[in-house]
Amino acid sequence: DQQVKQNSPSLSVQEGRISILNCDYTNSMFDYFLWYKKYPAEGPTFLISISSIKDKNEDGRFTVFLNKSAKHLSLHIVPSQPGDSAVYFCAASDDGGFKTIFGAGTRLFVKA
Amino acid sequence: DTGVSQNPRHKITKRGQNVTFRCDPISEHNRLYWYRQTLGQGPEFLTYFQNEAQLEKSRLLSDRFSAERPKGSFSTLEIQRTEQGDSAMYLCASSVGQTLNSPLHFGNGTRLTVT
Repeated sequence: DQQVKQNSPSLSVQEGRISILNCDYTNSMFDYFLWYKKYPAEGPTFLISISSIKDKNEDGRFTVFLNKSAKHLSLHIVPSQPGDSAVYFCAASDDGGFKTIFGAGTRLFVKA
Repeated sequence: DTGVSQNPRHKITKRGQNVTFRCDPISEHNRLYWYRQTLGQGPEFLTYFQNEAQLEKSRLLSDRFSAERPKGSFSTLEIQRTEQGDSAMYLCASSVGQTLNSPLHFGNGTRLTVT
């Protein structure tokens, strides 16, 4: 049972344009959502997070939006840069983050 | 900040052999996690320690798997009688437990290949 779903395995975007990565979840008990970025041969690194009491969180070029009624979140990267090319994992947790559940990831290609 | 360290980076073993992986978390982090990642999938939760206490285990962790965290510092993950289905990337992560919802800091993983 996939509680966190990333339905797009890959996304290709031109440098300078906006990248939008989507994520859906099924467990209404999730109260904290995160995005991680992963380069080849490295572990995932934390990118940005949002609490369920908010609907938007921004950090530089990265913004995460949360729509609780739709159980949907998205990550916007603007402007996209070639160095953003990586696999992006959506993740969610409850109970103070004792267990974080990850989606299958979306591979982003930013073309120069 | 030396980050989370995992050893070895790669392990190739024959089916039926036992293997052990080590994880050294960030020193001030009291929470430690093991995840497993297979091709095309995200990390899957295996187990979690708060200091030296193992507080939760996934049903993915069969009785061939055992994890320890003596003295609440480094952790080891042992797989006994390895099977080809155990081939995966094993990721260790740590986090600060004093605040709720602190992000996980991952190591670079140990890639296991069972032949």
